[in-house]
Amino acid sequence: DAGVIQSPRHEVTEMGQEVTLRCKPISGHDYLFWYRQTMMRGLELLIYFNNNVPIDDSGMPEDRFSAKMPNASFSTLKIQPSEPRDSAVYFCASSPSSGNTEAFFGQGTRLTVV
Amino acid sequence: GENVEQHPSTLSVQEGDSAVIKCTYSDSASNYFPWYKQELGKRPQLIIDIRSNVGEKKDQRIAVTLNKTAKHFSLHITETQPEDSAVYFCAVPMTTDSWGKLQFGAGTQVVVTP
Repeated sequence: DAGVIQSPRHEVTEMGQEVTLRCKPISGHDYLFWYRQTMMRGLELLIYFNNNVPIDDSGMPEDRFSAKMPNASFSTLKIQPSEPRDSAVYFCASSPSSGNTEAFFGQGTRLTVV
Repeated sequence: GENVEQHPSTLSVQEGDSAVIKCTYSDSASNYFPWYKQELGKRPQLIIDIRSNVGEKKDQRIAVTLNKTAKHFSLHITETQPEDSAVYFCAVPMTTDSWGKLQFGAGTQVVVTP
């Protein structure tokens, strides 16, 4: 198994541009999580899905952030418009449907907004 | 919501010595306590976890102890080696339906000096 796959690994964009981050969870995992990591706030959960349905998006910082999961093997996190304070590493993670097992993290996308 | 406090924020040890990191949590209903290791530029990876029905768990040089009454759990690394240098995060699930929905501690930067 290739694990959780995220793309791109690095993204540099100008303020005001739209940014789309992508995630492919581990096959068979029904839970998908988007986390953000910054020096100031550490690792924080943004949103998570169960069976492609968003369950809790209370961690999404602003309306500029949106996430979708159109099918079991793909999710996107979009920021529109992007701002410099959105610069962070964004991690996608997935876990099996039983719920009571660890979450496996992708390699992350390092986003820099200039 | 769950509040997780982790100490110390940095820990410098001589190779061969032991390292101990402690986390306290607020929700007494929590029943799963993982520790993640994150090397520079890489993803968080689970290194050990403990469930609430046991007080201690060991895996080679690492161990985790849990005190549910006091609501704290600790990571112990014995005979530290340079490759143990990393940031370590404790975490507690924010919900009972998935252990992937995690509240992370702020992290401990461990530096092992030869």
